[in-house]
Amino acid sequence: KQEVTQIPAALSVPEGENLVLNCSFTDSAIYNLQWFRQDPGKGLTSLLLIQSSQREQTSGRLNASLDKSSGRSTLYIAASQPGDSATYLCAGNTNAGKSTFGDGTTLTVKP
Amino acid sequence: DAGVIQSPRHEVTEMGQEVTLRCKPISGHDYLFWYRQTMMRGLELLIYFNNNVPIDDSGMPEDRFSAKMPNASFSTLKIQPSEPRDSAVYFCASSLGGFDTGELFFGEGSRLTVL
Repeated sequence: KQEVTQIPAALSVPEGENLVLNCSFTDSAIYNLQWFRQDPGKGLTSLLLIQSSQREQTSGRLNASLDKSSGRSTLYIAASQPGDSATYLCAGNTNAGKSTFGDGTTLTVKP
Repeated sequence: DAGVIQSPRHEVTEMGQEVTLRCKPISGHDYLFWYRQTMMRGLELLIYFNNNVPIDDSGMPEDRFSAKMPNASFSTLKIQPSEPRDSAVYFCASSLGGFDTGELFFGEGSRLTVL
């Protein structure tokens, strides 16, 4: 059974800092890994989807990497802004037909 | 595109009442998913459909829960009878392609409170 872990559970940084969010998964036979952002009281917004054949994906100030062999993915946020404050979740999709979510990292960017 | 549309956004009901949650997926998406989010258990997949056919309902907690997808643009999740432990945010998501290729797009969720 796939287990997805996100550490730390919460992170607070000053504006402008570069930061890395971590996602670990136990089943390396994943099809892909997706990163989401969730604002309070809102749904999940897709940020990046990395297929198992890819090593990384970039969108603006965001860069996500995937290392299947080590069971890890990272989300790098450059030059963080207060508007980046949200909960970030990762989800690993496996051939068992399941999408397993981590519990998320709540990010606070202080002005 | 309007995205995934869910209704109602908020529902407060009393124990024993029937609850129906509704979802309109993104046009053209062939997969539809129902998730439940709670503080204790995080996001859980309840059921998913492919081309309107239920594929895996192993996440449905018990027989009080049922889901239908009568056509490509509409799905319902029904709880009958509802219990306080069903209180959660229920999300609908859709994708073009399944777990191996598709990017998940979520609705805003339906927050259910059962008193």
